[in-house]
Amino acid sequence: NAGVTQTPKFQVLKTGQSMTLQCAQDMNHNSMYWYRQDPGMGLRLIYYSASEGTTDKGEVPNGYNVSRLNKREFSLRLESAAPSQTSVYFCASSYPGQGRSGANVLTFGAGSRLTVL
Amino acid sequence: EDQVTQSPEALRLQEGESSSLNCSYTVSGLRGLFWYRQDPGKGPEFLFTLYSAGEEKEKERLKATLTKKESFLHITAPKPEDSATYLCAVQAAKAAGNKLTFGGGTRVLVKP
Repeated sequence: NAGVTQTPKFQVLKTGQSMTLQCAQDMNHNSMYWYRQDPGMGLRLIYYSASEGTTDKGEVPNGYNVSRLNKREFSLRLESAAPSQTSVYFCASSYPGQGRSGANVLTFGAGSRLTVL
Repeated sequence: EDQVTQSPEALRLQEGESSSLNCSYTVSGLRGLFWYRQDPGKGPEFLFTLYSAGEEKEKERLKATLTKKESFLHITAPKPEDSATYLCAVQAAKAAGNKLTFGGGTRVLVKP
């Protein structure tokens, strides 16, 4: 059981280049998320998809786009990369109502480290 | 706006030296408070969910507690393998997409 798989693990881009981070989960989860993690800033939500066919902005969506390709896959695209987008990106997924009060645990991938020069 | 603040930012412990990590939070109706462990170069790994004030959960040398304003993660007689960054997060009752709001984390180093 692979859980949440992210590709690539590492990527170096030049300013202005574009790229797509891929994420797939095999747990039949409805909701998927993209977070970025920067030193001293914690994990910040970029975009999320509450269910297949829907996407919404999180705290820091500027410069990113997402696609919920199907229930398993949720991709993050940088159209014109900037040095400020140098970060570690994490994809996560969850199934609503797993816990008491409807709280649901997010399962994270291993991360994608992106450097923009 | 939901906010989570963790302290201290870093903690150096000798093996066997017990200590506590703090997570202060403000949220509009708490659905759950989560603790995650993150090892270098890896994604966060789920530890606990706490739902209401007074609740406690334990796993090996870790014990998490919850009040209406903060949560503590107690590490009892830590071992070097407990070295990691510990993340606290809250989920609000009306959180869009059931998203989690995270604190900045506490980096714990346990020296033999």
